[in-house]
Amino acid sequence: QKEVEQNSGPLSVPEGAIASLNCTYSDRGSQSFFWYRQYSGKSPELIMSIYSNGDKEDGRFTAQLNKASQYVSLLIRDSQPSDSATYLCAVRNAGNMLTFGGGTRLMVKP
Amino acid sequence: NAGVTQTPKFQVLKTGQSMTLQCAQDMNHNSMYWYRQDPGMGLRLIYYSASEGTTDKGEVPNGYNVSRLNKREFSLRLESAAPSQTSVYFCASSEALKAFFGQGTRLTVV
Repeated sequence: QKEVEQNSGPLSVPEGAIASLNCTYSDRGSQSFFWYRQYSGKSPELIMSIYSNGDKEDGRFTAQLNKASQYVSLLIRDSQPSDSATYLCAVRNAGNMLTFGGGTRLMVKP
Repeated sequence: NAGVTQTPKFQVLKTGQSMTLQCAQDMNHNSMYWYRQDPGMGLRLIYYSASEGTTDKGEVPNGYNVSRLNKREFSLRLESAAPSQTSVYFCASSEALKAFFGQGTRLTVV
């Protein structure tokens, strides 16, 4: 079992809809949780980080963390075609090791 | 702002050849990482360094060695390249809140 699991997709949503991306992790000692966006042929870029249970909102993005269920999610409201990319969930443990999931490809259709 | 600089950007090796991928960061970060990314997959951790003078194996260390030369530089060496090491390699450095990525090295082993 991979330490960080994501559905590979593709997840297809119409423009203006809410996209929901999910991630589970196995290490209960994990301390920090991140969502990265990666466009084809480019480097990953950080879009959200979350450290405590609950929701964290930043513009159209909301990250949700449930440590008891070992579950992290990312909601993208009012999805735009420019949001089409691969979204990578990442988890940092106490030893500063940063582990990524396999990524979910999101397609937003006009 | 240079951030994380990787060299080279592209490389073609013959099976059995050796090479070193260079990575340098100018953000005074303690932690540095090497990942590989294969088509349709997320980032898999090869090695990481939590601080100058320390290195640890990640998920896929076989066939690779690393050197944390100083706080700025973290190099990845392939001693005897194999076709299975054809991939895109990313270096990253991080503070507690955010990881920054280099532009990637596209390596092909023929």
